[in-house]
Amino acid sequence: EVQLVESGGGLVQPGGSLRLSCAASGFTFSSYWMHWVRQAPGKGLVWVSRINSDGSSTSYADSVKGRFTISRDNAKNTLYLQMNSLRAEDTAVYYCARGDCGGDCFDYWGQGTLVTVSS
Amino acid sequence: DIQMTQSPSSLSASVGDRVTITCQASQDISNYLNWYQQKPGKAPKLLIYDASNLETGVPSRFSGSGSGTDFTFTISSLQPEDIATYYCQQYDNLPLFGGGTKVEIK
Repeated sequence: EVQLVESGGGLVQPGGSLRLSCAASGFTFSSYWMHWVRQAPGKGLVWVSRINSDGSSTSYADSVKGRFTISRDNAKNTLYLQMNSLRAEDTAVYYCARGDCGGDCFDYWGQGTLVTVSS
Repeated sequence: DIQMTQSPSSLSASVGDRVTITCQASQDISNYLNWYQQKPGKAPKLLIYDASNLETGVPSRFSGSGSGTDFTFTISSLQPEDIATYYCQQYDNLPLFGGGTKVEIK
């Protein structure tokens, strides 16, 4: 059974940093692109970042470029999102998702982890 | 940049009704369009990929069509368990979601 379990969310002050993790199991993690998608309270889904299967290629939404870094450890079956210079507008539930359809269909999702940026 | 316009933003329908949601891309995205269902407090679920392909295990009352810039998502007979918000998502370039359609029972 495919499972994605996020962790690392919490309350952080504006300007602070946080690292999210997503532990994957039930599939060959190293064969799939992975993504982060976020959802602000009461709002819609917003794609944040993606990484290819071996970690050699990454992409970011303009809203997080230069502040967030996606990475993966295929030996540990874990996806990461390092978030720096956090702003109030980064407050959201962050989901990790597996990419299919050549990389950009999100066929499995984690349960999400809440990041709150507030003083 | 590609823009995705999803409509309506909300709708109310009766059990058994046919429900249709549209998604329009600002430029040709071929068939690089997916549809997701999100129930309150839950992660989204992939229903339709590549515009018209039903994900494994998804009931056949859900369907999708279209290509290029205009896409349609249909629930042929609305069921109480279909109450959710539905999102389109293009992946011609970087992934981008539509604004969502909240479906309620009348």
